[in-house]
Amino acid sequence: NAGVTQTPKFQVLKTGQSMTLQCAQDMNHEYMSWYRQDPGMGLRLIHYSVGAGITDQGEVPNGYNVSRSTTEDFPLRLLSAAPSQTSVYFCASSYRDSPGAKNIQYFGAGTRLSVL
Amino acid sequence: DAKTTQPPSMDCAEGRAANLPCNHSTISGNEYVYWYRQIHSQGPQYIIHGLKNNETNEMASLIITEDRKSSTLILPHATLRDTAVYYCIVRVGQGTYKYIFGTGTRLKVLA
Repeated sequence: NAGVTQTPKFQVLKTGQSMTLQCAQDMNHEYMSWYRQDPGMGLRLIHYSVGAGITDQGEVPNGYNVSRSTTEDFPLRLLSAAPSQTSVYFCASSYRDSPGAKNIQYFGAGTRLSVL
Repeated sequence: DAKTTQPPSMDCAEGRAANLPCNHSTISGNEYVYWYRQIHSQGPQYIIHGLKNNETNEMASLIITEDRKSSTLILPHATLRDTAVYYCIVRVGQGTYKYIFGTGTRLKVLA
């Protein structure tokens, strides 16, 4: 059982380049989300999805796009990378909220992105 | 979502209980308290959660005050592997999926 898989693990970009961070889960979770973590800080929510075809913005959505065409995958796109987007990115997934459910989020290992 | 306040750092001797406090004085009646931890720069790991009653699992215990304005995570016998950043989070039980992570408490377990 792979859980939440993020690729790549490391990436270096030049300012203005675009790229897609991949996230896949094999637990049939409805909910998926993307966070960024800057040095010495907690995680901040970028975007999230409650199911295929449904996405919404989190705390810090600017500069990022997402889509959810399948239950398993939730890619994060940087349209024009900026040095301020240098960070560690985490993807997470969980079951849909329901009464009594634990709603535990499972996190991937992260993608470390540097924008020069 | 309610905000949480945690001390930035704590030390604990190996083998002793680690008691990590969290203040959530603006918590609403339907908001749960969750605890996660992050070891080095790995993805956060779920520990425990609760609404009103104290909870215990194989990893830890969670004590929530009667007024629900604060809680304490207890690691009964801390080991060196428990050295991590611990996050206390409150969130609505249903309908919203926004976890708001603060800066957490950096726990260092000393040999």
